[in-house]
Amino acid sequence: QVQLVESGGGVVQPGRSLRLSCAASGFTFSSYALHWVRQAPGKGLEWVAVIPDGGTNTYYAGSVKGRFTISRDTSKNTLYLQMNSLRAEDTAVYYCARDYGDYAGPDYWGQGTLVTVSS
Amino acid sequence: QSALTQPRSVSGSPGQSVTISCTGTSSDVGHYDYVSWYQQHPGKAPKLMIYDVNKRPSGVPDRFSGSKSGNTASLTISGLQAEDEADYYCCSYAGSYTLVFGGGTKLTVL
Repeated sequence: QVQLVESGGGVVQPGRSLRLSCAASGFTFSSYALHWVRQAPGKGLEWVAVIPDGGTNTYYAGSVKGRFTISRDTSKNTLYLQMNSLRAEDTAVYYCARDYGDYAGPDYWGQGTLVTVSS
Repeated sequence: QSALTQPRSVSGSPGQSVTISCTGTSSDVGHYDYVSWYQQHPGKAPKLMIYDVNKRPSGVPDRFSGSKSGNTASLTISGLQAEDEADYYCCSYAGSYTLVFGGGTKLTVL
């Protein structure tokens, strides 16, 4: 069965960096685009970034563009999110999710990892 | 990209039907037939309930249905059950490989 397991969350000071990982299994990793979606405490879902199956181009929400980098390692079946220059408003549960086709949206989601940006 | 507009809350009694609306623009909901709906119980990850406006993934009860008219998509849940109580989010493709979510709707089963 499809499994996505995020890791790497924690407490980090404003301005610092953090890298999230998402280990995938149960499907052909190289055949799917993958998303990061976040949810601030008590708030709604916010799309963050997507990387196509080939991994050649990447796309970001305006709120994170220039600060966050999405990448993937097919040899490890792992998705990453490098987060730099973190701000308090980046505090959220970060979910990785598999795209169901044509970049139209996620079907399977991980359980999420909490990132708290605080001094 | 502004979030899609959903009602903050809806409610219904067991057995009744409820409809949750999701209003976007001609650049997202109105332009693409790529609207999906997610159910989220407290502390859990979202679950895909509807994709491509009106398609149900395997395992999702046929009590859940989706539709779209113009810039507004809708999720209808018929025969409400207690376990349907959750937050529901719509999502639309917005072009240039980007997605936009709605603000979420809390469904209360009375």
